[in-house]
Order: sequence, then structure tokens, then C-alpha cells
Amino acid sequence: DTEVTQTPKHLVMGMTNKKSLKCEQHMGHRAMYWYKQKAKKPPELMFVYSYEKLSINESVPSRFSPECPNSSLLNLHLHALQPEDSALYLCASSPKTGGTEAFFGQGTRLTVV
Amino acid sequence: SQQGEEDPQALSIQEGENATMNCSYKTSINNLQWYRQNSGRGLVHLILIRSNEREKHSGRLRVTLDTSKKSSSLLITASRAADTASYFCATDGQNFVFGPGTRLSVLP
Repeated sequence: DTEVTQTPKHLVMGMTNKKSLKCEQHMGHRAMYWYKQKAKKPPELMFVYSYEKLSINESVPSRFSPECPNSSLLNLHLHALQPEDSALYLCASSPKTGGTEAFFGQGTRLTVV
Repeated sequence: SQQGEEDPQALSIQEGENATMNCSYKTSINNLQWYRQNSGRGLVHLILIRSNEREKHSGRLRVTLDTSKKSSSLLITASRAADTASYFCATDGQNFVFGPGTRLSVLP
């Protein structure tokens, strides 16, 4: 199984809502990543988890809260988002950080209304 | 973290032609990778070239690496409409950080 599965595929949420994005991989990878991507822009790194510990937070606002409950699962909790947070959110994994290949999920298309 | 910078930012060619895109980076690397992203979807790893390699092939893809110039190129031969996508390079390091990418359009 070489897949990274993200759910949901699409999400519409109000600015007062709380929602979560989920990412799962069963490749035994110990590094997992969240990216945000706006239209016609490259993916921007948000968070990196290494061995279930947060190793990188790229100055992301606190309304985004990552969680890594176990080595296969990565969540991104969303609260009090702004319309400008609407984007494609991508999850990726790799055997370890500084590795040779990252595997990406298909993303969650988030719209904040 | 290290970052590649792709060039050109947009490229439009006819089906059957070759497409060449370039990547420049700033610091020493152990490897460089190319990824493809179809519109609104996840990135797909295409090919990795190590710092001690100068050229690598995979099907219709040819990647070169010039560590003295800190640059790499990706050549797609005999392009197809299905090659229409954005292409990104990434260098090894702590994380996978991407440059602006090259948006390739292959016209039928």
C-alpha cells in the first residue's frame, strides 16, 4: 500500500466552525507533513512531524492545530478560520525527514465561508 | 531548508514536441527530485538524481544535474496532452520545500 489517504476530499466550513482534516498512511513512514496550496502557487510547508513529534512549525497561525496520534495518522484541527484560509491542504509522508521521496495525498479542498 | 527554483514558470508546446524545464538551488545537496502535480491534485514523485550522478532516465523523462552550477533540468520527450501539469523540483534536507514550479501545457 503506497497511498496517503486524506479525508474529506472537500470541506466547506463557516468561520465559527471547528473541523478536522485527516491523513493516513500505512507505509511505515515516520515523517508526515501538512502543506497549504493556493491556486497557481506551489505547496507551502506548514508542519512536519518526525516520529510522531512536531519538528517544524512554519509560523502557522494557531487557528491551525496539528496532531499526530500515532505513526499512521495525522490530523489538522481547524478553528475560527478566515476566508483567506480557503485552499487545497495536502498531506505527505516519507520514510524519515531528509528522505528521498515524499508520497502525497490527493488533498482536501477547503472553502471557508 | 533548501529550495529549488524552477524556470520557466510557464511553458506551452505542441503534442509531440520536447519540453525542458530547469531548476536552480542554492546549497550543496545529496539528491534532487522532480515532482508532477495535475491540477488540484496531489504531487507525484517522478525521478530522483543523486549528487554523484550527471544524468538519469526514466521512460520519456531525462534529468540532468550539474552540481557545479547548482542546477538541474527535466526533459520530457515526445510530449502528450496528459503531460499537462505543474512540475516542481525539491532538494534533500530537513523537509520537502518546493519552488514556484513550471506550468506545462501540451496542446493537442
